[in-house]
Amino acid sequence: DAMVIQNPRYQVTQFGKPVTLSCSQTLNHNVMYWYQQKSSQAPKLLFHYYDKDFNNEADTPDNFQSRRPNTSFCFLDIRSPGLGDAAMYLCATSRTAFPQETQYFGPGTRLLVL
Amino acid sequence: QKEVEQDPGPLSVPEGAIVSLNCTYSNSAFQYFLWYRQYSRKGPELLMYTYSSGNKEDGRFTAQVDKSSKYISLFIRDSQPSDSATYLCAMLGSNYKLTFGKGTLLTVNP
Repeated sequence: DAMVIQNPRYQVTQFGKPVTLSCSQTLNHNVMYWYQQKSSQAPKLLFHYYDKDFNNEADTPDNFQSRRPNTSFCFLDIRSPGLGDAAMYLCATSRTAFPQETQYFGPGTRLLVL
Repeated sequence: QKEVEQDPGPLSVPEGAIVSLNCTYSNSAFQYFLWYRQYSRKGPELLMYTYSSGNKEDGRFTAQVDKSSKYISLFIRDSQPSDSATYLCAMLGSNYKLTFGKGTLLTVNP
C-alpha cells in the first residue's frame, strides 16, 4: 500500500508559469518535507512542516512556497519556474523531527520547464 | 569541502560479486548514518541506519561506520541484478536534517 503519494509523477510547465505539486500521506505523520533533487545530485531539503509550523531552509529561494492544509496533504508551489528549477521533487514524512525517526519518501514528481 | 562525499560511480559488477560503497564526511556532529536505495525514477527507500561505530548486518547488506576516520561503508554480498540502483548515503546530526551524498550508481550484470 502506498504510504507517501505524489501527484503528478511527471509535470511539464512553461517558463514563468506557476505550478503546484502535491503530496499526500496515509501514515498520519507529523512532519512533511520537500526535497529538490537535480540530476546526479544529492536531494536538497527545501523546507518542512512540523504539524502546521513551517520551517524554511535558509538557502531556499523565495520562488518556492509550501502549504499544508491538513495532516495528510502538503503542496509545493513554484511561483515562477525557471529552467534551473527542472528537477525531481521528493516529498517525505516522518513521525517526529527527532533524528532517529525514519523519513519515508514518495516516488517523486519530475518537473520539466520549457 | 562538502559535508558528505560519495563517489558517483558508475559501478558495474557481475552477479554474485561483493559490492562496497563508501562515503566520507567532515562534520563531527553527525550521529546517525543511513543508506538509501533509489531505483530509477523512484524516491529513496531506507535500507539501513546505524548510530554508532561498528558493523550492522541485515541479510545481504552490512553497514559499517568508522567515526574516527569519518568513513562509512555499505557492503552487498551475493549481489543481484535487482540491486541495480543508486545508493545514497545520508547523515543526521542532532536534528531532522538529512545531509545526503550524491549517490553511487550501481549496475549488477546477470
